[in-house]
Amino acid sequence: KAGVTQTPRYLIKTRGQQVTLSCSPISGHRSVSWYQQTPGQGLQFLFEYFSETQRNKGNFPGRFSGRQFSNSRSEMNVSTLELGDSALYLCASSFYRDGTGELFFGEGSRLTVL
Amino acid sequence: GQQVMQIPQYQHVQEGEDFTTYCNSSTTLSNIQWYKQRPGGHPVFLIQLVKSGEVKKQKRLTFQFGEAKKNSSLHITATQTTDVGTYFCAGISGGSNYKLTFGKGTLLTVNP
Repeated sequence: KAGVTQTPRYLIKTRGQQVTLSCSPISGHRSVSWYQQTPGQGLQFLFEYFSETQRNKGNFPGRFSGRQFSNSRSEMNVSTLELGDSALYLCASSFYRDGTGELFFGEGSRLTVL
Repeated sequence: GQQVMQIPQYQHVQEGEDFTTYCNSSTTLSNIQWYKQRPGGHPVFLIQLVKSGEVKKQKRLTFQFGEAKKNSSLHITATQTTDVGTYFCAGISGGSNYKLTFGKGTLLTVNP
């Protein structure tokens, strides 16, 4: 069974640009969550999707957005990039509808903003 | 909002010593999960605790969930160099909202 796949793995952008990250969950998993990981703040919740519906959103500005497609694949977008957006962006999928159960994380997309 | 605090932030031990990390939530949790992240890697699920006072063991690892379901601990007996990494607790409050809140993690380093 393939794991969670995130693309791209690494990317470098400049301030003001936008970026789109992609996540393919494990087959059969319909819940997809996104987290931002930085050395100082740990793992911070961005949003969670289930069957194309965003069920919860973390405390991030509106520049951070996401969506989920009918095949459960998800994308997140960050517009007008700032230096502070440099981080590892982790996607996680889960089989469980109610938010319980283990999360399976991808390798992450490491974003550097110059 | 829900907050999950984890201590210590760092722990350095000699191989063979024991290690414990503690997790405290500002709200009652419906469950708590533990993850391990090796340096350069991604978080990997270790275990989930659901019941008040629950204790689970995985070889040298012992996980506990507090009676009030607001705290948890992970204890590693006789650490090995393979235990190196950051250990995160993560919980969902009773209100759920499908949001797993992570503690900031404890970075464990082991001196051989």
